[in-house]
Amino acid sequence: AQSVSQHNHHVILSEAASLELGCNYSYGGTVNLFWYVQYPGQHLQLLLKYFSGDPLVKGIKGFEAEFIKSKFSFNLRKPSVQWSDTAEYFCAVITGGGADGLTFGKGTHLIIQP
Amino acid sequence: DAGVIQSPRHEVTEMGQEVTLRCKPISGHNSLFWYRQTMMRGLELLIYFNNNVPIDDSGMPEDRFSAKMPNASFSTLKIQPSEPRDSAVYFCASSSRWGNNEQFFGPGTRLTVL
Repeated sequence: AQSVSQHNHHVILSEAASLELGCNYSYGGTVNLFWYVQYPGQHLQLLLKYFSGDPLVKGIKGFEAEFIKSKFSFNLRKPSVQWSDTAEYFCAVITGGGADGLTFGKGTHLIIQP
Repeated sequence: DAGVIQSPRHEVTEMGQEVTLRCKPISGHNSLFWYRQTMMRGLELLIYFNNNVPIDDSGMPEDRFSAKMPNASFSTLKIQPSEPRDSAVYFCASSSRWGNNEQFFGPGTRLTVL
C-alpha cells in the first residue's frame, strides 16, 4: 500500500520568509499528487495538484510544488509567507486511475509569526 | 453550487449511543468518500463509493461502523455503539471522474463521545 511522509510536523517562520515543506510518497506506479490546506476551524481546501505534464505546478495564494519522480517527492514552496498562511498543510496521493481515496501525510502545522 | 454538505456540524453523545453522520455530495459527482481526522492518526480514509456502490471499506475501524449511500445525493456514516475513542472530525468528500478526480471536502462533523 502507498504511504506519504511529511518530514516536518511543526514549522515556525517569520513573515516574508521562504517556505518549503517536504513530502515523499512510496509507490512505484502512476500517482496523482495533492497539497491541501486546513485553516484553523475550517475544512480542507485544495492548494494545488499534479496529474501529468509540467512537474512544476502552481496553485492558489502563491504556492507551488515540484514533482520529482526520481526522488518520489512533491515538496511545497512559497517564496514569501504571510501571517494568513498559518494553517495545517497536508500532502496526499492517489495511485493508479485516480478513482480511489486519498492517502494523506500526517500534516505539517505551519505558524507564521508577524 | 453549495459544495459538499455535512450534518450535523457538531455532535456530542454518550458512550453506547448510536451516531449518524450525514453527507450530501456535490450534484453530479459520482464518487463519495468518508475520512476521519484525529490527532494521533491524522486523516484516514474510512470508505468510498463509486456510483453509490461501496468500493473499499478496508479503512472502517470495526463492525461498529457502517456506511450507506442509498442514492447519488445522500450518504450516511453510522456508529453503533459509539465509544470515546471514536471522537474525531469526520469529513465527507466527493469527486467526479470528469474533473480529474479532484476531491472536494465538506466542512466536517466534529464528534465527541463522552
